Amino acid sequence: AQSVTQLDSQVPVFEEAPVELRCNYSSSVSVYLFWYVQYPNQGLQLLLKYLSGSTLVKGINGFEAEFNKSQTSFHLRKPSVHISDTAEYFCAVGGSGNNRKLIWGLGTSLAVNP
Amino acid sequence: NAGVTQTPKFQVLKTGQSMTLQCAQDMNHEYMSWYRQDPGMGLRLIHYSVGAGITDQGEVPNGYNVSRSTTEDFPLRLLSAAPSQTSVYFCASSSGRLNTEAFFGQGTRLTVV
Repeated sequence: AQSVTQLDSQVPVFEEAPVELRCNYSSSVSVYLFWYVQYPNQGLQLLLKYLSGSTLVKGINGFEAEFNKSQTSFHLRKPSVHISDTAEYFCAVGGSGNNRKLIWGLGTSLAVNP
Repeated sequence: NAGVTQTPKFQVLKTGQSMTLQCAQDMNHEYMSWYRQDPGMGLRLIHYSVGAGITDQGEVPNGYNVSRSTTEDFPLRLLSAAPSQTSVYFCASSSGRLNTEAFFGQGTRLTVV
């Protein structure tokens, strides 16, 4: 069975500092990996996704993530955060075959302080 | 292009009342799903549909019904509201292929008193 673990429930950081949000997954099949962002009182929107190919994936708003198959990780990074990056971030995995469902992590709340 | 539209945005129900949360998408997506979001519990799948006329249960289906008579619409019905159903509900759609993103509505904040 597939599962996703987001290792930090809350990450406080100062503005302009770098940040890493950690995501580990387990799967016995090839996976597709996603990061979504949820700004306060809004729905989720896609930040980036890994399907295949280059293990470094760039997304919107300066975020990037690195797929590490040996460590089964897909950590999200940004070199310099802004106040506007304050949001909830979700990691998700989608499997292959007949399973179309996305498996979600519990989310990481990123709080950027001035 | 409206994407995924959910109505209403807010709703207060009394215990035992029924209601329908509406969800419509204009992207001709096959796959639609309903989630509930509760603090510390992430997103939990309630029901999903892989096409018109086909629905299936997610991980927390009790107390909810769905139907999919058209590709565009996927309403969620609360049969007899309970305080435990107080939550934020999200509808999502995707093309159904595993490597494509899900598009989310803005959510419905439901309070059952």
